[in-house]
Amino acid sequence: DIQMTQITSSLSASLGDRVTISCRASQDISNYLNWYQQKPDGTVKLLIYYTSRLHLGVPSRFSGSGSGTDYSLTVSNLEQEDIATYFCQQGNTLPFTFGSGTKLEIK
Amino acid sequence: QVQLQQSGAELMKPGASVKISCKATGYTFSSYWIEWVKQRPGHGLEWIGEILPGSGSTNYNEKFKGKATFTADTSSNTAYMQLSSLTSEDSAVYYCARREGVWFAYWGQGTLVTVSA
Repeated sequence: DIQMTQITSSLSASLGDRVTISCRASQDISNYLNWYQQKPDGTVKLLIYYTSRLHLGVPSRFSGSGSGTDYSLTVSNLEQEDIATYFCQQGNTLPFTFGSGTKLEIK
Repeated sequence: QVQLQQSGAELMKPGASVKISCKATGYTFSSYWIEWVKQRPGHGLEWIGEILPGSGSTNYNEKFKGKATFTADTSSNTAYMQLSSLTSEDSAVYYCARREGVWFAYWGQGTLVTVSA
């Protein structure tokens, strides 16, 4: 199985900051990398698919980049509603696998 | 709009089975894979497997073979996951999601399953 690693388990930032969350795959996943947001109430939403494509309705302050084994999610101009845990997921090979999550908190 | 509505929380005894439902609205149910994902504190998100309701085709994570069984009823636009021989390791929140490409575009609200004597 492909292992997905999110080294940073939690991150603290101020409103208006730009934050970057990283995700590394145990092998090349050919840009089949997706990002999800999980709110404290458990609600999960797709933010970005195929490395950098924004899902419908997702604010443009979210962006994604990367290639090969290394990927990142950037949140620009951090807002209160962005407080959540962010997970990466690879779609290159079954079984689909997720990173362990990065919890974003406000300073 | 696309919505996935899951059944409510369950409290089960060890050794029992539980069946969770996921009712889809707002799209053609038979045409999209429904995914099932497990979340336990400290264990992140785990992909259990998927079913394509129109054909009944399934793919299971090897880890969950024998534990989870997927079915789908196209007349009621509802997917089901049955978990058998429950143990404390099965206590978790379970999500269904609709797959597009190889990403999970829409998620249900989650169903908490607690296994306790």
